[in-house]
Amino acid sequence: EPEVTQTPSHQVTQMGQEVILRCVPISNHLYFYWYRQILGQKVEFLVSFYNNEISEKSEIFDDQFSVERPDGSNFTLKIRSTKLEDSAMYFCASKKTGGNTGELFFGEGSRLTVL
Amino acid sequence: AQSVAQPEDQVNVAEGNPLTVKCTYSVSGNPYLFWYVQYPNRGLQFLLKYITGDNLVKGSYGFEAEFNKSQTSFHLKKPSALVSDSALYFCAVRDRDGQNFVFGPGTRLSVLP
Repeated sequence: EPEVTQTPSHQVTQMGQEVILRCVPISNHLYFYWYRQILGQKVEFLVSFYNNEISEKSEIFDDQFSVERPDGSNFTLKIRSTKLEDSAMYFCASKKTGGNTGELFFGEGSRLTVL
Repeated sequence: AQSVAQPEDQVNVAEGNPLTVKCTYSVSGNPYLFWYVQYPNRGLQFLLKYITGDNLVKGSYGFEAEFNKSQTSFHLKKPSALVSDSALYFCAVRDRDGQNFVFGPGTRLSVLP
């Protein structure tokens, strides 16, 4: 069964460093998302991406964050200068169609620890 | 803007008993409703969704959910709980206009042997 894959599974970084989290969405999916979850709690929307541009973003997704689809398979989330409060589990998700009825398929997550 | 509430942080149920995990929503227009499950240190797995039609929807692992428009609820149910159902459950909603899914705060289900 096709799945969303994320790397790294866990990254530890110093405050102020840049981090790139990588995702390979399901191959025939067209819509891509990043969510984060702090300490196993609420799942918060960061950004959605379609046709090589951001569709929606939340207040969390400030200038320190960026997303890119550098090739036909990868979807990355970059945090330019990490803060302590960026420590969280980051989930990538993808969806096949543009309709509102399709479900999201999530990866296993990348745990980011900022020291 | 859409929102989702899960009024219970924790639900405990004995194995073999029926379980209910509650969800209420607020959205403009007709909602699209989803349930996801998260096992420890794992991603979110899709369980079921309500789009239109029959108010009772059936999903994976024997779960079902009932859409109630008048009460704006979408409670998750299972007739007989298993210890392996112990996990974190998230209700989510989308409205017609956005691409975004909004998740509830999650309910931790513990099924006791």
